[in-house]
Amino acid sequence: DAGITQSPRHKVTETGTPVTLRCHQTENHRYMYWYRQDPGHGLRLIHYSYGVKDTDKGEVSDGYSVSRSKTEDFLLTLESATSSQTSVYFCAIRSLASTDTQYFGPGTRLTVL
Amino acid sequence: GNSVTQMEGPVTLSEEAFLTINCTYTATGYPSLFWYVQYPGEGLQLLLKATKADDKGSNKGFEATYRKETTSFHLEKGSVQVSDSAVYFCALKTGANNLFFGTGTRLTVIP
Repeated sequence: DAGITQSPRHKVTETGTPVTLRCHQTENHRYMYWYRQDPGHGLRLIHYSYGVKDTDKGEVSDGYSVSRSKTEDFLLTLESATSSQTSVYFCAIRSLASTDTQYFGPGTRLTVL
Repeated sequence: GNSVTQMEGPVTLSEEAFLTINCTYTATGYPSLFWYVQYPGEGLQLLLKATKADDKGSNKGFEATYRKETTSFHLEKGSVQVSDSAVYFCALKTGANNLFFGTGTRLTVIP
């Protein structure tokens, strides 16, 4: 599992509240990613990071921000959650041995009421 | 642009049946191709991959061949087991950092 943990694993929140999801890795991977998984869409990239304080947008970045103040943690923030952000969120890291391969965390199920 | 089209599910098979899940892609450049599997309640796990045309990826009895001429990467297994029940995702990666995923195919294997 490449030492990836996500917290919380489940969260229910209300529309308009801020939410932060955390991805933690223990193997000093430089590249980290946030995806969301929705029925009929597969997984779509939200943001990624290529180093401390270095981040970039993915395919569905609107309404999300990220931060990476240290190598092991990559935070995803919904500044003001909406019902359309109800989803399962997966963090991933890029393999050190094979740069075209990503490994995924266990996921966070977020429900916005 | 980049995109992946997977056969829609769900797919239900009896144990020991032959499995094929179709995957075709559109890509700029020369992508690497992947199959990921997601067991209930878990994250995605890399099942197999192929990085260039005519390569065959294989793992756990599953295999897929990178066919550039038909832009396909179909997943096959000769004899499925109940434990293979999961959602299978085809994906591609070009020079960019992200993976492009298909919508997933749910497989259920019944005893």
